[in-house]
Amino acid sequence: DVKVTQSSRYLVKRTGEKVFLECVQDMDHENMFWYRQDPGLGLRLIYFSYDVKMKEKGDIPEGYSVSREKKERFSLILESASTNQTSMYLCASRDGRGGRGYTFGSGTRLTVV
Amino acid sequence: AQSVSQHNHHVILSEAASLELGCNYSYGGTVNLFWYVQYPGQHLQLLLKYFSGDPLVKGIKGFEAEFIKSKFSFNLRKPSVQWSDTAEYFCAVDSGGSNYKLTFGKGTLLTVNP
Repeated sequence: DVKVTQSSRYLVKRTGEKVFLECVQDMDHENMFWYRQDPGLGLRLIYFSYDVKMKEKGDIPEGYSVSREKKERFSLILESASTNQTSMYLCASRDGRGGRGYTFGSGTRLTVV
Repeated sequence: AQSVSQHNHHVILSEAASLELGCNYSYGGTVNLFWYVQYPGQHLQLLLKYFSGDPLVKGIKGFEAEFIKSKFSFNLRKPSVQWSDTAEYFCAVDSGGSNYKLTFGKGTLLTVNP
């Protein structure tokens, strides 16, 4: 089975800190995604990538950036964390050729104080 | 841009009642459709998906969904719910092709009372 691993389950950071959320997948998938999940708002797409060094803005990219230097790793960066970025962050991957659908990581709950 | 609308924010049922959760999407081209479930405190899980073929899709735990292309709908159904079905349910759509993105609805919280 495809595995998507997010490096931290819980994180607490201070306002203004630079925060890195890491995601690694082990099945050579081309497509990777970052979402945030908030009560009543569902999952909203922040950024996605369909190849190494490629990135596309999702629906709510403001305040975030991403990095994809290697195919298996997709990093979400909060340049200067703010309290309104307190959320659950989910990473996902999918084979660019289609097929079995999306695989999600277990999520990182980020609290910015 | 594609979007997904889930009709109900919160649905409350008694055990053994039938369930139907509405989902409509807006996108004019080929779509792939998904229902995910998130039980309290747990990860997102795939319930079922539709890529092509028979528009009536059966998923895990007795759930099914019907794709009606003319109505841009993909409603989730279960004939008899159990207390253990209490969870949040998310409908999602992607636009197919190789460079697609998955767009979610806002979710429907289902509470099943014993």
